[in-house]
Amino acid sequence: AQKVTQAQTEISVVEKEDVTLDCVYETRDTTYYLFWYKQPPSGELVFLIRRNSFDEQNEISGRYSWNFQKSTSSFNFTITASQVVDSAVYFCALSEPSGAGSYQLTFGKGTKLSVIP
Amino acid sequence: DGGITQSPKYLFRKEGQNVTLSCEQNLNHDAMYWYRQDPGQGLRLIYYSQIVNDFQKGDIAEGYSVSREKKESFPLTVTSAQKNPTAFYLCASSPGGGGEQYFGPGTRLTVT
Repeated sequence: AQKVTQAQTEISVVEKEDVTLDCVYETRDTTYYLFWYKQPPSGELVFLIRRNSFDEQNEISGRYSWNFQKSTSSFNFTITASQVVDSAVYFCALSEPSGAGSYQLTFGKGTKLSVIP
Repeated sequence: DGGITQSPKYLFRKEGQNVTLSCEQNLNHDAMYWYRQDPGQGLRLIYYSQIVNDFQKGDIAEGYSVSREKKESFPLTVTSAQKNPTAFYLCASSPGGGGEQYFGPGTRLTVT
């Protein structure tokens, strides 16, 4: 079973539409971290957000917002009023303890978002 | 500027040759990581290092080797034993303890 599932492989929206990218994770740890990264066509991964497992407060940063629900093991990402520059592959990731104080990051397979002008 | 550099951006090799990918960071991070990305796939962990002179295998370490002689540097060698080495390789660093990982620009390796 995948630890991080991004069920949407590709999404296309028209500019200015809102779009939500889904992420479902699986872990037995009580302490863990969740991340979203953006990968534009250049290839470099850009860090967007980190949440720890004890903080379920939703977060908003400009047009971006994140909804963390432990009850459903989900960490969804919404872009409001999408723009062409939002076109990229978005990865959700889970960080779990892997022993001796270290953490290991597991990525979902990504959702490719295309924003059409 | 603080960040992670990887060189070269594109690398071409003949089958049977070993090749070393460079990764340097000046963020003073303790932890460093190597990932492989194949088309349409997520990232898979090859090796990681929490401190100098220590490193651990990730999920797909076979055919790869690393060293961590300096805090700033974590080179990855793709050996001839790696059966399918053509891929996009990403290096990352983090302060450790579950902190976010910051990524370099990546090296696209093509082996023919």
